[in-house]
Amino acid sequence: QKEVEQNSGPLSVPEGAIASLNCTYSDRGSQSFFWYRQYSGKSPELIMFIYSNGDKEDGRFTAQLNKASQYVSLLIRDSQPSDSATYLCAVRNTDKLIFGTGTRLQVFP
Amino acid sequence: GAGVSQSPRYKVAKRGQDVALRCDPISGHVSLFWYQQALGQGPEFLTYFQNEAQLDKSGLPSDRFFAERPEGSVSTLKIQRTQQEDSAVYLCASGPSGRPGGGYTFGSGTRLTVV
Repeated sequence: QKEVEQNSGPLSVPEGAIASLNCTYSDRGSQSFFWYRQYSGKSPELIMFIYSNGDKEDGRFTAQLNKASQYVSLLIRDSQPSDSATYLCAVRNTDKLIFGTGTRLQVFP
Repeated sequence: GAGVSQSPRYKVAKRGQDVALRCDPISGHVSLFWYQQALGQGPEFLTYFQNEAQLDKSGLPSDRFFAERPEGSVSTLKIQRTQQEDSAVYLCASGPSGRPGGGYTFGSGTRLTVV
C-alpha cells in the first residue's frame, strides 16, 4: 500500500461545476497535509495546506481533512479551464513531504 | 533570490556519463529537498538537508546518487554512471525551518534524459 493514494483520473468536469479531488493516507500519525497544482511541464505549486480536522477555505478552494478516516480532499468551486492540471496530495512525514501520484483534472468549456 | 533556481534546465547524458545538477534555494531557507519525478508520477523523495547537514538520504535509489550542500545554501545532486532509468525530472524544493504547517517551494526542475 502506497503511503498516499490518489485516483489518477482524468477527472472531467464542465466549466462552472465543483471539482472534488480525493486522497487517502496510511500513516495515522501524519499531521500536515498539502495540495499542490502542477501544470504540464511545470513544477508543483502550493495551493493549500491543512492540519486540523474540518474545512479550510481559500477563495474558490476548500480543503477538507478527516483524520479518523485518513482522508483529505480538495474542492474547487466554479471550475475554470485554467484549473486543468494535475493536483498532487502530499503528507508531511517528519520534515519531508510524501506525494501521491496526482489526479489529472480536465475542465471543459 | 526570489525563487528556487535550478540548472541546467535540460540535460542529455550518454549512458555511463556523470552529471551534476544544481539547486540554489530561496535565500535564508534552511531546509532543502531533492525529489525525482518520473513521467506521470508524483515526486519521489530523494534526500533532505537542514543547512549543511544531510538529515535523510533514504530515498537515494543507489550509491550512484550523491548530494551535497557544503555551505548550507547551494546544493548539488550528482549522478554517476547514468543509466536510462535515471531519466526523470529532478526537482529541488526549499523551505524555512520551524514552520509546522508550511509547504515547500519548488524550483522549475532539471529534465534529465539518458540516451
